[in-house]
Amino acid sequence: QSALTQPPSASGSPGQSVTISCTGTSSDVGAYNYVSWYQQHPGKAPKLMIYEVTKRPSGVPDRFSGSKSGNTASLTVSGLQAEDEADYYCSSYAGFNNPPYVFGTGTKVTVL
Amino acid sequence: QVQLVQSGAEVKKPGASVKVSCEASGYIFTNYDFHWVRQAPGQRLEWMGRINVASGNTKYSEKFQGRVSITWDTSARTAYMELSSLTSEDTAVFYCARGLPVVAKWLDPWGQGTLVIVSS
Repeated sequence: QSALTQPPSASGSPGQSVTISCTGTSSDVGAYNYVSWYQQHPGKAPKLMIYEVTKRPSGVPDRFSGSKSGNTASLTVSGLQAEDEADYYCSSYAGFNNPPYVFGTGTKVTVL
Repeated sequence: QVQLVQSGAEVKKPGASVKVSCEASGYIFTNYDFHWVRQAPGQRLEWMGRINVASGNTKYSEKFQGRVSITWDTSARTAYMELSSLTSEDTAVFYCARGLPVVAKWLDPWGQGTLVIVSS
C-alpha cells in the first residue's frame, strides 16, 4: 500500500513557522484537490486540520494553512505554539486506485 | 455535538477475529459514510475500508480484502468492523471516522480508537 511521503520531523521555536511537505503522485495528490491534514497528539485520535487542500474546519486556528503544487501538498503552521507539537498526517483521495484513500508517512513537529 | 464512540480494548489470540463497534451521535446517521483506519504502534495511518450507510455499499482496501467486513445497524446508529485471521501485525489501534458519501473530502470526527492486541 503506497503512502504519501512526508519528512519524519520538523521543528521550530515558539512564534516561528514550520512547513511540512506531502509528496504523492499524479494519481492522488496531483489529480485531486482532496488533500487533507490531520493532527495527532500522543495517545489521541487524529483531528482534521485542513481539507480540500486549503480549507479550515470551524474551530481550527488560522495559523494553519494548506497549499498544493503539482504532486506535492504542504501544511504551514505559523506562529508556533506549544500545543502544536504533535504528529501530522496528510491524506489524499486516489480515485479508482485501491486503496482510494492514502495517508502520508507522518511528520513529528517539535516546538523547541 | 457530533461524536463517535468506539468499543473497548480487546486481546485476541492469533487466528481469531475481532469486531469493533462505533456508535454515532449528533448528526443524521444515514447522510454519511463510516471509514475505518488502522494504526500500528508508532506507525502511520492505514485506510481499511468504508461503508455507505444509506445503501450498504462497502469498499475495502486490497490489503485487507477477504479479512475485513464493515457492517452497520441503523437503529443502533452503530457501525462495525470485523477483522479475521488476526496476526501479530494486527496489533494496533483501530479508528472509525465519518466521511462524506461517494468521495470523502475529509474524515471528521474520529472515534477515540480501539486498541486490539494480538498475542498468544
